[in-house]
Amino acid sequence: GESVGLHLPTLSVQEGDNSIINCAYSNSASDYFIWYKQESGKGPQFIIDIRSNMDKRQGQRVTVLLNKTVKHLSLQIAATQPGDSAVYFCAEKDFGNEKLTFGTGTRLTIIP
Amino acid sequence: ETGVTQSPTHLIKTRGQQVTLRCSSQSGHNTVSWYQQALGQGPQFIFQYYREEENGRGNFPPRFSGLQFPNYSSELNVNALELDDSALYLCASSPGGPNTGELFFGEGSRLTVL
Repeated sequence: GESVGLHLPTLSVQEGDNSIINCAYSNSASDYFIWYKQESGKGPQFIIDIRSNMDKRQGQRVTVLLNKTVKHLSLQIAATQPGDSAVYFCAEKDFGNEKLTFGTGTRLTIIP
Repeated sequence: ETGVTQSPTHLIKTRGQQVTLRCSSQSGHNTVSWYQQALGQGPQFIFQYYREEENGRGNFPPRFSGLQFPNYSSELNVNALELDDSALYLCASSPGGPNTGELFFGEGSRLTVL
């Protein structure tokens, strides 16, 4: 069945360094991908999305890369700040489907 | 803030009881989805409502049911509560119909079943 997974459950990064969070997906029909940030006690917060007709998309301090050949997604966060500490989820969906499938998440900790 | 509000924020129930969770979607958003997030896991899709009708359902039993009202607000009802129903229940709204990509999540209702 379809699934979305993450390579690393935890990631610690020095403040100011760049972070890379990886995600693998298995549903080849997925054509829309989103990264969410979830802070403790809060709901998931949209960070950035990408459609399958793109390889890269940039936002403010964040970049998402999509490699459809190997079904891999990554989130790059530039110049990490203490406020970036959170759990990050990748999620995928088939655009004709109402369901968003989440991975289990990666906890990012920023070291001062 | 996403403009999606949920209530109550926390509640405790006992096995066998029933619970109703409420969600007010962001203004103008006509589609509401509900997700269950167990501790340490990613959210799992329960169902989606569009134009007051269920529009897709995940792998949850019939004792999970919902409603959407004309003002697009929504309720999630769970009957015959089980211990494994303990989780954070998230509501998400989206504009422009059921297949719009971005979802705006509320802060969730944390349910504990004893």
